[in-house]
Amino acid sequence: DTGVSQDPRHKITKRGQNVTFRCDPISEHNRLYWYRQTLGQGPEFLTYFQNEAQLEKSRLLSDRFSAERPKGSFSTLEIQRTEQGDSAMYLCASTRDRGNDEQFFGPGTRLTVL
Amino acid sequence: SQKIEQNSEALNIQEGKTATLTCNYTNYSPAYLQWYRQDPGRGPVFLLLIRENEKEKRKERLKVTFDTTLKQSLFHITASQPADSATYLCARNSGNTPLVFGKGTRLSVIA
Repeated sequence: DTGVSQDPRHKITKRGQNVTFRCDPISEHNRLYWYRQTLGQGPEFLTYFQNEAQLEKSRLLSDRFSAERPKGSFSTLEIQRTEQGDSAMYLCASTRDRGNDEQFFGPGTRLTVL
Repeated sequence: SQKIEQNSEALNIQEGKTATLTCNYTNYSPAYLQWYRQDPGRGPVFLLLIRENEKEKRKERLKVTFDTTLKQSLFHITASQPADSATYLCARNSGNTPLVFGKGTRLSVIA
């Protein structure tokens, strides 16, 4: 499968724990995006990378969130000291260089914070 | 701030009819509007993109229009089928800005 992959697909954690998610984009795609989606809402932008450079972060991304894309390939999203309000689907998408291109989404990581 | 509004949370139609979904935007005109389909528990899948200087775009049974006067895009599915049942998301962006999504419209096609 040459699409966008995300791992894990589901994560259940206790409040206060740290979690890390991984996204592997389509190999020739230079841009990688992270979104968060809660029930009944559309995806909300969190941050994006052009190769290994993190170019923009949403105000939604609190200090407890950090994202990396160290070699310009896969990316990780870490949430420290999780809160119940962090429960959501975390989606990753990738695209070629141009920001207006269609985005290819992964299946998402469903996070539940107890 | 940029906003995208999809007025209908849910839309039910009979199989074979044309489904029409509405997407309204506020403030300045986006350069691009994109439409995605999302099935439960899955990531969105791209369907169509329309630029602000285009009035209409078609792909098989899908048609998208862009009216910059009304600040609105309409998404049509002709000869709808139960397999078309899903949530449809509208998203806007301009240049290199990130996509801003609407809440989506949940379409149910009844056989």
